[in-house]
Amino acid sequence: GQQVMQIPQYQHVQEGEDFTTYCNSSTTLSNIQWYKQRPGGHPVFLIQLVKSGEVKKQKRLTFQFGEAKKNSSLHITATQTTDVGTYFCGSSNTGKLIFGQGTTLQVKP
Amino acid sequence: GAVVSQHPSRVICKSGTSVKIECRSLDFQATTMFWYRQFPKQSLMLMATSNEGSKATYEQGVEKDKFLINHASLTLSTLTVTSAHPEDSSFYICSAQGLGGIVNEQFFGPGTRLTVL
Repeated sequence: GQQVMQIPQYQHVQEGEDFTTYCNSSTTLSNIQWYKQRPGGHPVFLIQLVKSGEVKKQKRLTFQFGEAKKNSSLHITATQTTDVGTYFCGSSNTGKLIFGQGTTLQVKP
Repeated sequence: GAVVSQHPSRVICKSGTSVKIECRSLDFQATTMFWYRQFPKQSLMLMATSNEGSKATYEQGVEKDKFLINHASLTLSTLTVTSAHPEDSSFYICSAQGLGGIVNEQFFGPGTRLTVL
């Protein structure tokens, strides 16, 4: 079945440094979604990308969808302590959302 | 925005008992709800897709007789963990897909932490 691989599993950064998490699939994805889960919380939808090569920005967050629609990335510029959490990519196929393994971000103040 | 609630938020039970978890979409109708399970430091694993008025579709490896799902209305789905055992202890999260808005966007409930003693 459809699988989405996400790396790295963990990332520790100093506040102010940048952060990037990557998702890859062996098959072409119809869409890619990104969610953030704070410690002890539930996933919150961030964005959805559907077009080949699409790039979207939300303040310090930049989301990209690869030209072949097999990979995606989330880049955070100048991290802040409020960015702490686990970031999941996921792809929806026939309504089912399959998540990547998630990248847990720790930010040292 | 769309709100999904779950009840209870936390439950501790003895081995062998059954536990029912409710998932409600508070301000929208959800024809489809999803149930996930998340073990500590792991990703969310889809257990089943719950469709209003029809039988749930279970993912491979999920026992349908152990995890009973009922989607009786457009705003309520329930998951019953029958004869719970310690290995069923986990964080159970539901999500709902509404009509309109961003296609494929799912709204997650706050989750239910189940501990089986």
